[in-house]
Amino acid sequence: QKEVEQDPGPLSVPEGAIVSLNCTYSNSAFQYFMWYRQYSRKGPELLMYTYSSGNKEDGRFTAQVDKSSKYISLFIRDSQPSDSATYLCAMSGLASGGSYIPTFGRGTSLIVHP
Amino acid sequence: GAVVSQHPSRVICKSGTSVKIECRSLDFQATTMFWYRQFPKQSLMLMATSNEGSKATYEQGVEKDKFLINHASLTLSTLTVTSAHPEDSSFYICSARESGTVQFFGPGTRLTVL
Repeated sequence: QKEVEQDPGPLSVPEGAIVSLNCTYSNSAFQYFMWYRQYSRKGPELLMYTYSSGNKEDGRFTAQVDKSSKYISLFIRDSQPSDSATYLCAMSGLASGGSYIPTFGRGTSLIVHP
Repeated sequence: GAVVSQHPSRVICKSGTSVKIECRSLDFQATTMFWYRQFPKQSLMLMATSNEGSKATYEQGVEKDKFLINHASLTLSTLTVTSAHPEDSSFYICSARESGTVQFFGPGTRLTVL
C-alpha cells in the first residue's frame, strides 16, 4: 500500500459544479496537509495548507482533513474551465533527522467543461 | 511572495553533454531546496534534498555522480545532469522552503536529450 493514495482520474465535470478531490493516507505521523494545482508543463502551485484536522476555506476552495479516517479532501465550488488542471495532495510529518519532507499523491486530473 | 524561479525553462542538448539547471528563491531565503523529476502524467519523483552549505541527500536509486546538486547560497541551488543521455529527458522541477513544511515550486525545466 502506498503512503498516499489519490485517484488519477480524469474527473470531468460541467462548469459550475462542486468538485470533490480526495486523498487517503496510511502514515498517522502526517500532520501537515497541502493541496497543489499543476497546469500542464508547469510547476505545482500551492493552493491550500492545513495543519492537523479541520476545515480551511479560501475563496472557492475548501480543504478538509479527517485524521481519524486518514482522509483529506479539497472542494472547489462554482468550478470554472480555468480550474482544469492536475491537483496534487501532499502531506508531511516529523521524519528521522527532524525533516518534514512531503509525500505527494500522484495527482487527480480535473476537466471542467463549459 | 514565495516565488521560485528556474532557468532555463527548456533545454535541448546532444547526448554526452552536461546541462546545468538553476533554481532561485526570489523573495525568501531557502534553507532547504528539493529537486524533482516528473514523467508525463506521473507524479513528482523526489530526486534529492539539499540544505544550504551541506551535501545533498539523494533518494534511493538516484545517481549522485550523474545528478550533481550544489546549494551554494540561501537563494540558489543548481542541478547538473552530467553526460546526459536520452533517458534523462524529463521535466525537472525544483522547490524551496524557508522553514516549516510548505514548499514553493519553480516553473520547471524541460530537458530533451537528442
